[in-house]
Amino acid sequence: QSALTQPASVSGSPGQSITISCTGTSSDVGGYNYVAWYQQHPGKAPKLMIYDVTNRPSGVSNRFTGSKSGNTASLTISGLQAEDEADYYCSSYTGRRTLVFGGGTKVTVL
Amino acid sequence: EVQLVESGGDLVQPGGSLRLSCTASGFTFSSYWMSWARQAPGKGLEWVANIKQDGSEKYYVDSVKGRFTISRDNAENSLSLQMDSLRAEDTAVYHCVADRRSVTAKYWGQGTLVTVSP
Repeated sequence: QSALTQPASVSGSPGQSITISCTGTSSDVGGYNYVAWYQQHPGKAPKLMIYDVTNRPSGVSNRFTGSKSGNTASLTISGLQAEDEADYYCSSYTGRRTLVFGGGTKVTVL
Repeated sequence: EVQLVESGGDLVQPGGSLRLSCTASGFTFSSYWMSWARQAPGKGLEWVANIKQDGSEKYYVDSVKGRFTISRDNAENSLSLQMDSLRAEDTAVYHCVADRRSVTAKYWGQGTLVTVSP
């Protein structure tokens, strides 16, 4: 159950688009369409932003878009805003009713 | 409004035990998979364990198997995590998590801090 691989940090200017990658294996990311993304502001609980690779929960901005190709999933934030500055984590179902998370990516709005 | 409130976190010595609790409200508790996830200080998230709606299935991350036990009481809308033989590497904020399915983590609590230190 090794953690999924995410870049430690990604940055962008307001209004720009950024993409965060999440790389796993054929036993997790590549094997199931159950990748999710979470946003966590300092001292706060994580918030689900994307589920089942591409779906947004009610209330989440359409500036957040999820995708997947092979063993790598991606989260794209378009029209970057100051409030998007946070840590982002991916997760994937691994089968056997278990989940694995990524190591997290710190997004900085320049 | 969905609320998940954890309690029970404390400072405990290595080899000691601790029991965490989570009280749920704002949703039909008995219809949700419930999980515990943790976050070591300054580190990323780690899924720890989950339990099926009726308690008939329980799953654990390898590092806690045989030491942690997850349980639930649907009548009381509560989730518990019994942690035995605690190690320094178990030090983390423990979050209570709810989802209708076992494949994502929709609702999260703020967490309770467990510190394992002499």
